[in-house]
Amino acid sequence: AQRVTQPEKLLSVFKGAPVELKCNYSYSGSPELFWYVQYSRQRLQLLLRHISRESIKGFTADLNKGETSFHLKKPFAQEEDSAMYYCAPLSGGYNKLIFGAGTRLAVHP
Amino acid sequence: DSGVTQTPKHLITATGQRVTLRCSPRSGDLSVYWYQQSLDQGLQFLIQYYNGEERAKGNILERFSAQQFPDLHSELNLSSLELGDSALYFCASSTLTDTQYFGPGTRLTVL
Repeated sequence: AQRVTQPEKLLSVFKGAPVELKCNYSYSGSPELFWYVQYSRQRLQLLLRHISRESIKGFTADLNKGETSFHLKKPFAQEEDSAMYYCAPLSGGYNKLIFGAGTRLAVHP
Repeated sequence: DSGVTQTPKHLITATGQRVTLRCSPRSGDLSVYWYQQSLDQGLQFLIQYYNGEERAKGNILERFSAQQFPDLHSELNLSSLELGDSALYFCASSTLTDTQYFGPGTRLTVL
């Protein structure tokens, strides 16, 4: 079965510190992976899609097929980055997202 | 703003009742998805429609049903509501294989 694991429920850092939110997946075939962000239980917003290889709001994520990971990174956290972050591979064949449990990022001044 | 709209924003109802949640996808998107976000279960995929036809089913209860109309808007019907159905219900839309864009959600409270 396809699974995604976000091992940290909460990640607490100070402003300006580097951030890495971990995501590991078990998946057959070539996965397509996304990071979504949710501020204060509002709508889920797309942050990154791995095939686009963009940097959004300073965040990047690299797909590591060997380690089956898709960790989200930002070199210098900002207070406005405080939110819930969800890693989500796309289930092959049906285009449905399989969400991890999410990691709450809290950036303190 | 993702372009996906959902109504109502909030819904408060009693156990045993039936409610309908509505979603309008982004212009041009043929695919609509429904997700449930609850404190104990997290974000779960419920069902997907593509151009009016059911395409995939996830952890959707038999008390729940959905449909997609010719104008591509979708409705999620929840019946015989229980306390545990209280959750945020999100709709998302996409082209068949593209990124999913989410609506603002409907917060359902069952008393």
